[in-house]
Formats: sequence, C-alpha cells, structure tokens
Amino acid sequence: DAGVIQSPRHEVTEMGQEVTLRCKPISGHNSLFWYRQTMMRGLELLIYFNNNVPIDDSGMPEDRFSAKMPNASFSTLKIQPSEPRDSAVYFCASSPGLAVHEQYFGPGTRLTVT
Amino acid sequence: GENVEQHPSTLSVQEGDSAVIKCTYSDSASNYFPWYKQELGKGPQLIIDIRSNVGEKKDQRIAVTLNKTAKHFSLHITETQPEDSAVYFCAASRVTGGGNKLTFGTGTQLKVEL
Repeated sequence: DAGVIQSPRHEVTEMGQEVTLRCKPISGHNSLFWYRQTMMRGLELLIYFNNNVPIDDSGMPEDRFSAKMPNASFSTLKIQPSEPRDSAVYFCASSPGLAVHEQYFGPGTRLTVT
Repeated sequence: GENVEQHPSTLSVQEGDSAVIKCTYSDSASNYFPWYKQELGKGPQLIIDIRSNVGEKKDQRIAVTLNKTAKHFSLHITETQPEDSAVYFCAASRVTGGGNKLTFGTGTQLKVEL
C-alpha cells in the first residue's frame, strides 16, 4: 500500500518567491496534518483538516502561509512570499479520522530559502 | 496548551543493552501517547503507542509504560541492535471527536554501538 506521498522532496528557492508543497494522503484517510520540523523548534503542527475542512490552523506562523485541501486525495501548503527563516522540513501526515489516534507521516519536503 | 519534555537528548548504548527514553507531559487531559522513530532523511514512523487506560504495552523488543499520576511515560528498547539507531520522539495528545493535536518532545538521538 502506498503511504503518504509528498512532492517535491527537495525545494530550493530564493527569498520572495512563492513555494507550493504538495501532499497525497493515504487512501481512505479523512484527516490530514501539516507539520514543520526545525532544529530550533522541533516538530510543530501547522494546520489540520478533517473531511477536507480546516479544523485548526492556530499553528500557522503568519499570513504568508496558507493551506488548502480541495479534495480527499490532495492538499497543498503555500508560502508566499518565502523567507530564509521558512527553511525547514515540512511533513504531511494522515489519519483515518479525527477520533482515531494514529497518524502516518510522509517522507517530507526539505525547503531551503536563500 | 500541552508541553512535552523528553530526556535524554542523546543516548549511546552497546549492542544488546537496553535503552530507556523518558517523557513528561503537562496536560492531565491528554489520553494518547505515541512514540515515533525517525531515520535520517525520512519521516517519523509510529512504532508504538499507549492510551491512558493502559499502564504498559509491549511489542517484541519495545515497551512503553505510562504513569498518569506523575504524568510521565517511557520507551524501553531491549536487546538493542544497530538498526535501532535513530531519533525517537514521544508525543501526547487529547484525542476527542474534534481533533487529535500531537505535541512532540524534542527528540532523543539513540546510537547503538557495535
């Protein structure tokens, strides 16, 4: 079975550019989570969706970040404009449902903003 | 909000020895405690979890214990092997019908030496 799929795996961009990260959750999973991992702050939850609806975006750092889930099999995390401090590994995770405990992570996207 | 502390930050053991990683949490309403293993360049992988109605859970060489009164939980790995070398994260959440927000510890770099 395919796990969570993320693309691209690596992204290098210049400050001020728009960045779009993509995620395909495990088929049949109804909840999707976006995390950011840095050495300084560890693993942080940015936003999560249930049945394509954003439930909690309190972890989104600022207005430059936005996330969408147009359908059950696709989500995007967009940063516009990007800044060097956005450099991190961004993970997407999915879960069968909100009341289900287990979350399964994708391989991540390593973002470098120069 | 929830706060999870994890110790030690690094742990080096000889192959065949046991390894113990400890975490404490602050929110007494937390009811789900997973442990993740993250290998270099990969996403966190769920290896074991425990719910608040259980004091101990074991899966082959891995076990987790939970002390709700003291608000701490631990990961025990016995008969360590080189492939156990990775970063281990504990997490805590209060799973309700409205969501499952994982708060992660800062991670433990485990090195199993030959």
